[in-house]
Amino acid sequence: DAKTTQPTSMDCAEGRAANLPCNHSTISGNEYVYWYRQIHSQGPQYIIHGLKNNETNEMASLIITEDRKSSTLILPHATLRDTAVYYCIVSRENQGGKLIFGQGTELSVKP
Amino acid sequence: KAGVTQTPRYLIKTRGQQVTLSCSPISGHRSVSWYQQTPGQGLQFLFEYFSETQRNKGNFPGRFSGRQFSNSRSEMNVSTLELGDSALYLCASSLIGGGNIQYFGAGTRLSVL
Repeated sequence: DAKTTQPTSMDCAEGRAANLPCNHSTISGNEYVYWYRQIHSQGPQYIIHGLKNNETNEMASLIITEDRKSSTLILPHATLRDTAVYYCIVSRENQGGKLIFGQGTELSVKP
Repeated sequence: KAGVTQTPRYLIKTRGQQVTLSCSPISGHRSVSWYQQTPGQGLQFLFEYFSETQRNKGNFPGRFSGRQFSNSRSEMNVSTLELGDSALYLCASSLIGGGNIQYFGAGTRLSVL
């Protein structure tokens, strides 16, 4: 599986957009980009995933560059409850239940 | 629909003992994965079960084992506990054909003294 690189930590003001970057320069053609987050003392939570097109759901938007070597997760109006560790994972679609988590980005949303 | 349920939530054991953790997946989910989370190593994949068979395994010693029952519920067992086994153990379930969208439980926090 491709390796991902994320900033260790980021801050965001409440109500502003949070843009979380992820580099995955060795991604293969059949690998998807997945985003999960983990709020303190809880299990990880799936946010969104995509292959090459930009994706949007009720939680976030995912922007994948044309060369697929990097992506950005966008939380359009961050709230204090979005404070969490965000993980970017690159994986083939059916990986036999195995997700490889990196260190993630610790996002702090401040009032 | 109920989420993934893990029991117990907290557990304290001493070195050398063994422990069994339980996971009930979301109804209809037949794949169950287990992860270990520690401050030093982060989230690491232990193993995955589907239809009572282990399909995938991470890089953990044989002291870590698991099984899955016909109702998809799963247990993991750690024998001869070591201090380094202190961790949050997370279970996740997913639909077959659901890609890598996994739904996690709240975890079992194991402390080994």
